[in-house]
Amino acid sequence: DQQVKQNSPSLSVQEGRISILNCDYTNSMFDYFLWYKKYPAEGPTFLISISSIKDKNEDGRFTVFLNKSAKHLSLHIVPSQPGDSAVYFCAASSTLTGNQFYFGTGTSLTVIP
Amino acid sequence: DTEVTQTPKHLVMGMTNKKSLKCEQHMGHRAMYWYKQKAKKPPELMFVYSYEKLSINESVPSRFSPECPNSSLLNLHLHALQPEDSALYLCASSQVSQAVGNTIYFGEGSWLTVV
Repeated sequence: DQQVKQNSPSLSVQEGRISILNCDYTNSMFDYFLWYKKYPAEGPTFLISISSIKDKNEDGRFTVFLNKSAKHLSLHIVPSQPGDSAVYFCAASSTLTGNQFYFGTGTSLTVIP
Repeated sequence: DTEVTQTPKHLVMGMTNKKSLKCEQHMGHRAMYWYKQKAKKPPELMFVYSYEKLSINESVPSRFSPECPNSSLLNLHLHALQPEDSALYLCASSQVSQAVGNTIYFGEGSWLTVV
């Protein structure tokens, strides 16, 4: 059973515009959420995270929003750059399960120059 | 640059071979992981070591044998693999923490092809 879902397998955005990647989860015990970026033939790189006590976390061009009532989070990239083209995975964990991380299926972002 | 280092980056092995994947981290993390990833799929957890002891084995076939010689090293021994085991094998590490905010960091992966 997929506890973390990314329903959009792909997304294309023009350079300079906003990219919005979405993620939904089903387990209300999740209290920490992470986004990873993955280039082909490389391991996932940690991008940004948010704990459940917050609803927004910002780091440069990347902002993650968390809506606990909807069990939904999103990653905003502004402005989008061609180098952002990659697969983005969201992940979730719970302090109850410690070192278990649950990953979404990924969204492939293409930023068009 | 990732602080989790995996070797080799690419490995081709026959179904009767014995080989090993190696992973090293120097972040002082006491939890280390092996994940398997196929194209267009999320990372799939295989094993978790906490304080050098195996804490999670996600029903992985015995042809995969993990080993954690010390707090910085993690190995994955491979024997009698099948072609369907061909994938990207990812090592990762994190704190062993029950607190919120525990982040997992991945290595660049080892591409395994079984012929």
